[in-house]
Amino acid sequence: RKEVEQDPGPFNVPEGATVAFNCTYSNSASQSFFWYRQDCRKEPKLLMSVYSSGNEDGRFTAQLNRASQYISLLIRDSKLSDSATYLCVGTLSGGYNKLIFGAGTRLAVHP
Amino acid sequence: NAGVTQTPKFRVLKTGQSMTLLCAQDMNHEYMYWYRQDPGMGLRLIHYSVGEGTTAKGEVPDGYNVSRLKKQNFLLGLESAAPSQTSVYFCASTREAYYEQYFGPGTRLTVT
Repeated sequence: RKEVEQDPGPFNVPEGATVAFNCTYSNSASQSFFWYRQDCRKEPKLLMSVYSSGNEDGRFTAQLNRASQYISLLIRDSKLSDSATYLCVGTLSGGYNKLIFGAGTRLAVHP
Repeated sequence: NAGVTQTPKFRVLKTGQSMTLLCAQDMNHEYMYWYRQDPGMGLRLIHYSVGEGTTAKGEVPDGYNVSRLKKQNFLLGLESAAPSQTSVYFCASTREAYYEQYFGPGTRLTVT
């Protein structure tokens, strides 16, 4: 079983739609979680950190459920520019900030 | 402020050739990492460093070596390239554990 699992998609949605991605992780020792965004042929960039209390940044909302070991990302009012691959990322303790990446979920927003 | 830079951006090698990928960061970060990204597999950690002069193995270290002689630079070496090392290589850095990692633009390597 992969340590971080995501639905690879693609999710094809019209502009203005609300879309949700889920991600599950297998290691209950994972300390911190993030969503990264990766555009085609570009490097990953941090979209947002994920906190147990949930956090929101504009149209994006992230939630963490430690009991069920899943993380979610909700995108409201999708824009064409949201088209990208979204990487779910967890960390393991060990003093070196090891990031465990999911394989990514591809989102395609169409007019 | 350039952030994290990588050279070269692209490279084609023949099987058995060697090369070194250079990663440089100007953010005074202690931690640096080398990842490879293959289709459908996500990023996998090759080697990492928690400070100048230190290196350690990640999850896929075989066939690679690294050095961190200066805090700002992290080098990844392939001594004898194999087709299985065809991939996109990303370098990343961060100032402390559990903080955001900043990635370089990547190096696309093809081994024929």
